[in-house]
Amino acid sequence: KQEVTQIPAALSVPEGENLVLNCSFTDSAIYNLQWFRQDPGKGLTSLLLIQSSQREQTSGRLNASLDKSSGRSTLYIAASQPGDSATYLCADTTNDYKLSFGAGTTVTVRA
Amino acid sequence: GAVVSQHPSRVICKSGTSVKIECRSLDFQATTMFWYRQFPKQSLMLMATSNEGSKATYEQGVEKDKFLINHASLTLSTLTVTSAHPEDSSFYICSARDARQGITEAFFGQGTRLTVV
Repeated sequence: KQEVTQIPAALSVPEGENLVLNCSFTDSAIYNLQWFRQDPGKGLTSLLLIQSSQREQTSGRLNASLDKSSGRSTLYIAASQPGDSATYLCADTTNDYKLSFGAGTTVTVRA
Repeated sequence: GAVVSQHPSRVICKSGTSVKIECRSLDFQATTMFWYRQFPKQSLMLMATSNEGSKATYEQGVEKDKFLINHASLTLSTLTVTSAHPEDSSFYICSARDARQGITEAFFGQGTRLTVV
């Protein structure tokens, strides 16, 4: 069974600092990996999707990398802002179309 | 990205009653839909998968008679929590994909906060 781990569980940084969020998975036979943002009491917003054949994806200040061989993905958020405060979840898709989620990293960006 | 609409966003019901939650894909046909449950400060736990034209597949430990899932059409799935009890209070989120295009991006609804009193 796929297990997804996110480290750290929580992160607090001053505004302007770059954020590095880590995600690891045990089964490298994934089809894709997604990063999501979740605000308190809200649903999930998809941030980036990396296909298994890709090594990274970028959107604005966000960049996500994927290394299937080591079972790792990293989300970088450049020049963090207070509005980036949220919980970030990674999830991968295996051949049964199911998403396996990590527990998330809760980010607080201090003004 | 595609839009998935979930309704209601919040519901409070009395113990013993049933509650229906709807999940709609607004601009694509969702051949596969998923229902998740999320407890406070925890990640999403998959409850069941429903595919167009077939019965839902429930994850281990999920009572299919309590959590009724109906993939009524290519754009609508419903989750009915039957005979709800306070321990069913949780955040429920649906997800949808157009699996005919391969294993593509999953899109999520806004979630439903269920409180059973």
